[in-house]
Amino acid sequence: AQTVTQSQPEMSVQEAETVTLSCTYDTSESDYYLFWYKQPPSRQMILVIRQEAYKQQNATENRFSVNFQKAAKSFSLKISDSQLGDAAMYFCVLLYGTASKLTFGTGTRLQVTL
Amino acid sequence: SAVISQKPSRDICQRGTSLTIQCQVDSQVTMMFWYRQQPGQSLTLIATANQGSEATYESGFVIDKFPISRPNLTFSTLTVSNMSPEDSSIYLCSAGGQGGEKLFFGSGTQLSVL
Repeated sequence: AQTVTQSQPEMSVQEAETVTLSCTYDTSESDYYLFWYKQPPSRQMILVIRQEAYKQQNATENRFSVNFQKAAKSFSLKISDSQLGDAAMYFCVLLYGTASKLTFGTGTRLQVTL
Repeated sequence: SAVISQKPSRDICQRGTSLTIQCQVDSQVTMMFWYRQQPGQSLTLIATANQGSEATYESGFVIDKFPISRPNLTFSTLTVSNMSPEDSSIYLCSAGGQGGEKLFFGSGTQLSVL
């Protein structure tokens, strides 16, 4: 079975500061992908960043970067220069298999304060 | 990229009735999925909507309760049948993910059952 664990139900960061959201996962698949999605109050799921498991290089997207530790099955998200618009629920997601199944973590609610 | 239109965005229904949720993608996609997100929780996959054949349901979800149609590569519906208050949830459709590519999500349907 595939599992995704987010151990931080809530996090808070001051505007312009840096925050790291944790995620660990478990899978028996050799070929998989990892994502961070954010879900603001509008409910729309928005892709933040994507990582292919076969790539050692950590993905980056502007202020967002990941620390992908494959052996440790860890996939943390770092948000730099946090902005008020970053406030949302963040989900760590594992995609595997030819059926493109997703396993979602339980989410981390991020608050951004002034 | 794909844009997914999902409707209705919200509804309040009476116990024992059924509601059909529609999901329209602006381009042809191979994979379409339906998820449930209970209040404050993560997303759980209900089923994979297969074009031209019966949907593939996850454990705990059955066709009689959640019939799904997928008449073509751009459209799918999910019906929540014989509703009870326990069915109050957000229902989201998604598309894509094949080969590890990004999944796109509809904006969700917030269902309240009285």
